[in-house]
Amino acid sequence: EVQLVESGGGLVQPGGSLRLSCAASGFTFSSYSMNWVRQAPGKGLEWISYISDGSSTLYYADSVKGRFTISRDNAKNSLYLQMNSLRAEDTALYYCARARYGSGPDYWGQGTLVTVSS
Amino acid sequence: DIQMTQSPSSLSASVGDRVTITCQASQDITNYLNWYQQKPGKAPKLLIYDASNLETGVPSRFSGSGSGTDFTFTISSLQPEDIATYYCQQYDNLPSLTFGGGTKVEIK
Repeated sequence: EVQLVESGGGLVQPGGSLRLSCAASGFTFSSYSMNWVRQAPGKGLEWISYISDGSSTLYYADSVKGRFTISRDNAKNSLYLQMNSLRAEDTALYYCARARYGSGPDYWGQGTLVTVSS
Repeated sequence: DIQMTQSPSSLSASVGDRVTITCQASQDITNYLNWYQQKPGKAPKLLIYDASNLETGVPSRFSGSGSGTDFTFTISSLQPEDIATYYCQQYDNLPSLTFGGGTKVEIK
């Protein structure tokens, strides 16, 4: 069974940093590209970042480019999102999601909540 | 960037009703479209891929159609467990993804 479990969320002040993690199991993690998608409270879904299976391709939404960094450790079956210079508008539930080849996400974690507030 | 316009933003229907949601892309995306269901407090679940293909294990009352810029998602007979928000999502210009604004489905 595919499982994705996010962690690392919490309350952080504007301008602060946070590192999210996503632990994957139930599939060959190193064979799949991965995404981070976020959802602000009461709002819709916003894709924010993508990483290819071997980390050779990284992609970011304009809203987080230059502030967020996606990475992965295939030996540890883990995906990461380093978030710097956080803003109030980054407050959201952050999901990691597996990318089906040539398509969008097929499996999602339950999300980790990031709140940016003073 | 490709924009996805989904309508309506919410709807209320009775159990057994046929429910239809539309999604319009700002440019031709062929059939590179997914539909997701998100129940309250839960993660999104993939229902339809490539605009019209039913994901394994998804009930056959769910269906999708369309190509190019105009797409439709249908629940043939609404059930109480279908209460959720539904999202379309394009993947024509991978790895960038765009979601529609969502349609909240409620029981009348």
